[in-house]
Amino acid sequence: GEDVEQSLFLSVREGDSSVINCTYTDSSSTYLYWYKQEPGAGLQLLTYIFSNMDMKQDQRLTVLLNKKDKHLSLRIADTQTGDSAIYFCAESYGGATNKLIFGTGTLLAVQP
Amino acid sequence: DTEVTQTPKHLVMGMTNKKSLKCEQHMGHRAMYWYKQKAKKPPELMFVYSYEKLSINESVPSRFSPECPNSSLLNLHLHALQPEDSALYLCASSQDNGELFFGEGSRLTVL
Repeated sequence: GEDVEQSLFLSVREGDSSVINCTYTDSSSTYLYWYKQEPGAGLQLLTYIFSNMDMKQDQRLTVLLNKKDKHLSLRIADTQTGDSAIYFCAESYGGATNKLIFGTGTLLAVQP
Repeated sequence: DTEVTQTPKHLVMGMTNKKSLKCEQHMGHRAMYWYKQKAKKPPELMFVYSYEKLSINESVPSRFSPECPNSSLLNLHLHALQPEDSALYLCASSQDNGELFFGEGSRLTVL
C-alpha cells in the first residue's frame, strides 16, 4: 500500500490546542479518517472528511485537508488529559469493502 | 447496538495448538474485516468479507484461516502459528458508506 506518514509524538499542556499532521501519497483516496486508540483498546473513529472538502469541524475537532500537498491535519481544541492516546490517520477508496491504509500513528501526551 | 464484540480478549497458545478468534456485530453491516496490529505499529489489513464472501486476502499465510458463518459473525482460525504472529487482532465491520467500527481486539501471544 501507499505510505501514510505522521510525526511520532506530540506533547501539549491541558487546555492548549493540539495539531496532529498526516501526509499521504495516494491522490485518488476518496475518504480520509482520523482514529483514536487508547492503551490496550481498539480504534475509535473520531471524524472523517470527503476528499472534495477542505475543512470539517465537529465540536472540538477540526480537520483540514490540502489535496495539492496531500496533507491532512487534526486540530483538537482545549485538549484534555482524556485526549491522551495514539491518533491514526487513514485513507481509503470507500465502497462496500473499505480498505483502509493507516498512517504510522502519533502519540499525543497531554500534561496537566 | 453499535458494538463489535471480540472474544477472547486474551489468548496464549503454543505453536502446535489450534485456536479461534471470534467477532460478532449486530449492526446489519455487510462487510467485516480482520486487521493485525503489532506493538507501536498501525493496523495492517488481513482479510475482508463482503456479503459473507471473502473479497480481499492480503497475502496472509495459510496458518490463518478466516470464516464467515453468517452476516453477523466472523472467525479467524489459528493453527501452527509462530511467535512473530503475537499481536493484537482487530475485527471491524462497515456499512456501504465505508465507516469502519472496530472491536476492542484479541491480544494473542504465541509461545
